[in-house]
Amino acid sequence: DADVTQTPRNRITKTGKRIMLECSQTKGHDRMYWYRQDPGLGLRLIYYSFDVKDINKGEISDGYSVSRQAQAKFSLSLESAIPNQTALYFCATSDPGQGGNTIYFGEGSWLTVV
Amino acid sequence: GESVGLHLPTLSVQEGDNSIINCAYSNSASDYFIWYKQESGKGPQFIIDIRSNMDKRQGQRVTVLLNKTVKHLSLQIAATQPGDSAVYFCAETRGGSNYKLTFGKGTLLTVNP
Repeated sequence: DADVTQTPRNRITKTGKRIMLECSQTKGHDRMYWYRQDPGLGLRLIYYSFDVKDINKGEISDGYSVSRQAQAKFSLSLESAIPNQTALYFCATSDPGQGGNTIYFGEGSWLTVV
Repeated sequence: GESVGLHLPTLSVQEGDNSIINCAYSNSASDYFIWYKQESGKGPQFIIDIRSNMDKRQGQRVTVLLNKTVKHLSLQIAATQPGDSAVYFCAETRGGSNYKLTFGKGTLLTVNP
């Protein structure tokens, strides 16, 4: 079983619709992240959370919101989806307390906005 | 500006050969670097990391070299295998933080049998 699980794995939605991507982790990590991947642009940070009460904007947070429901759960919402939000989205976790700076990624969620 | 970039977008090698993937960074304050491997349809997977107080670090069949003078990072894969075919990303953080990873655009490695 994956340590970082994302749902849905694939979704097609219409412009203007609200869509939520969910992430859960079994690694026990405090820190969670949402990244977006576009061809030729690498991975870009949308939001990150150091713990349940901490939410921070990343480099491309406009048009997105997040909710940290519990240590193990971090969801990403697009309140009104637009076509240029079509991308591959990754949830990730890390725990500096384990002595490393490694970020662990989920399998990704393909989102297409038509 | 601050950036992490890759010299070659694609690399094709023969099975058994050694592969070298390069990465350049522009911020001298960068102090931690990671290489990730992303196979088709999967999330990036940690390969190896190196801190700025080191020049070289070895793992299983992989070696990362860091040249701080020219701000250059490389990933060497020994005896490349078909299973090594993937996109490889370098990533860096600066200032001791571990949350603002900046990723390069990636290099596609293709291993020919």
